[in-house]
Amino acid sequence: GQNIDQPTEMTATEGAIVQINCTYQTSGFNGLFWYQQHAGEAPTFLSYNVLDGLEEKGRFSSFLSRSKGYSYLLLKELQMKDSASYLCAVNRMNRDDKIIFGKGTRLHILP
Amino acid sequence: EPEVTQTPSHQVTQMGQEVILRCVPISNHLYFYWYRQILGQKVEFLVSFYNNEISEKSEIFDDQFSVERPDGSNFTLKIRSTKLEDSAMYFCASHPPLSNGYTFGSGTRLTVV
Repeated sequence: GQNIDQPTEMTATEGAIVQINCTYQTSGFNGLFWYQQHAGEAPTFLSYNVLDGLEEKGRFSSFLSRSKGYSYLLLKELQMKDSASYLCAVNRMNRDDKIIFGKGTRLHILP
Repeated sequence: EPEVTQTPSHQVTQMGQEVILRCVPISNHLYFYWYRQILGQKVEFLVSFYNNEISEKSEIFDDQFSVERPDGSNFTLKIRSTKLEDSAMYFCASHPPLSNGYTFGSGTRLTVV
């Protein structure tokens, strides 16, 4: 089976840093995605980690530890527009395989 | 930037009616998917499509569902006899070969009454 866990909600302050954690247990693993989803909109791609380590992309960074079944998304210099749900997701077989999503973390940014 | 286009953006239908949701994937993409998201819940996989045939489908994708790529550009999801519990956002997604970046369409909000 598959299980992807992430906190339901988090709150942070504008300008601060926030780390959203995700743990997964899946039968097979190829890589881990992070998507951003604003209410009523489609998920938009943020990152895809296949190898262990940290990947930085502007204000957003994503980390993966395959041995621990663990990932985090780090958001720096938070802006009000970062208020959204952040979806942790995996695919198991190869890069073309379907994506299995977690329930998402709703991030609230306070001024 | 190329987009995945979905129509209609919102569809209201009566229980038992057939609906067809339409998607135009990005032109050089080869892998196509349908996902759905019931309000307040997670995004769920329905079906994947490659080389003009279904490559995988979930338990949700029962005999009431079908997909087609009738003309090489459109990718459709048909629900034969809608139920109240089919009310959800339906997202089409695609990605090109040798790439990890799935692109999602803006979705169709289906409301079954």
